[in-house]
Amino acid sequence: RKEVEQDPGPFNVPEGATVAFNCTYSNSASQSFFWYRQDCRKEPKLLMSVYSSGNEDGRFTAQLNRASQYISLLIRDSKLSDSATYLCVPLYNQGGKLIFGQGTELSVKP
Amino acid sequence: DAGVIQSPRHEVTEMGQEVTLRCKPISGHNSLFWYRQTMMRGLELLIYFNNNVPIDDSGMPEDRFSAKMPNASFSTLKIQPSEPRDSAVYFCASSLVGLAPEQFFGPGTRLTVL
Repeated sequence: RKEVEQDPGPFNVPEGATVAFNCTYSNSASQSFFWYRQDCRKEPKLLMSVYSSGNEDGRFTAQLNRASQYISLLIRDSKLSDSATYLCVPLYNQGGKLIFGQGTELSVKP
Repeated sequence: DAGVIQSPRHEVTEMGQEVTLRCKPISGHNSLFWYRQTMMRGLELLIYFNNNVPIDDSGMPEDRFSAKMPNASFSTLKIQPSEPRDSAVYFCASSLVGLAPEQFFGPGTRLTVL
């Protein structure tokens, strides 16, 4: 089993749609989680941190289910500028090592 | 505030040549990470340092790759000799482990080995 599994997509959605990405992780000891977004040919950028059961920031909501080792990202009222690849990233150890998933590609169309 | 700085941004070299990539982490961060990204393999962690000390280099592909962090504000990743399969984007990231493990990435170095 991969350490982090994500649906690669692509998810093609119209502007204004709500879209959800799922992610499962194998390391039950992971305590912190992050969602990064990566635009084509750019560096990954931190979107959201999740330290408890979830987090919400504007149109973005992350939910964590530790029992199922599952984390999700919900994007409401999607914008054209949300088009990117979204990376699910558990914190692997106290040394700061992160494990990056392969990412889910999102394309928001007019 | 200056983010993570990497140089060069692009490097084109011939097989067999030595390549040195450079990184300046965010001031005050205590950890630095080197990654490589390709279409086939995604984002791979090569090596990381805590307080300038290498902690885990298990991701370094082979002995041709080496990394150093002589002080808290500078790190290098060297490939000698380079091969075409080393062509990738190399990212450096830094974080403040212990307080805020979020990593912040530099813009990357796009390496092409001919």
